Amino acid sequence: NAGVMQNPRHLVRRRGQEARLRCSPMKGHSHVYWYRQLPEEGLKFMVYLQKENIIDESGMPKERFSAEFPKEGPSILRIQQVVRGDSAAYFCASTSGVQETQYFGPGTRLLVL
Amino acid sequence: AQSVTQPDIHITVSEGASLELRCNYSYGATPYLFWYVQSPGQGLQLLLKYFSGDTLVQGIKGFEAEFKRSQSSFNLRKPSVHWSDAAEYFCAVADTGTASKLTFGTGTRLQVTL
Repeated sequence: NAGVMQNPRHLVRRRGQEARLRCSPMKGHSHVYWYRQLPEEGLKFMVYLQKENIIDESGMPKERFSAEFPKEGPSILRIQQVVRGDSAAYFCASTSGVQETQYFGPGTRLLVL
Repeated sequence: AQSVTQPDIHITVSEGASLELRCNYSYGATPYLFWYVQSPGQGLQLLLKYFSGDTLVQGIKGFEAEFKRSQSSFNLRKPSVHWSDAAEYFCAVADTGTASKLTFGTGTRLQVTL
């Protein structure tokens, strides 16, 4: 059973470009969480999605950031018009249900030049 | 709002020595508690978790943690550290009342000397 997959593992963007990060949950998991880890910091919650629904986006920046989890395909975290402060590691985690253990992917390391 | 404090940013121990990593949480009810480990450039691996029941929980790689409600603590322990345990360790708490998003501490970086 494959674990949580994230791609790309590394992404370099110039200021003003768009970044798209993908997360494929574990088989049988329909809940996805996105977290951001800034350098030398812990992970911070961004958004929680179930298939076709955003359940909790209280940790998402108000502008430029969006997330989706379509009926088919991976969850996408999209960052428009990236700035240097967006440079971080972005992790997704999946679970089979609420209050179940979260399993993390390897992360996408975004570098904004 | 819930919060997690890991007071030790960096700890160095000798291989074979015992280890204790501290974690304190702030939460109104009984929380769900977790310890994760992150190797450089990698994702997070779950070491152990506490939901209810026995307050001493066993995890993978020989780790254990004890939930102490009176101290709001969930310290991670290992009796004999191996060089491969060098990594960053994160304590996390989940809200038991709603969706289980995790609140993480800032992490403790463990260095193991030979």
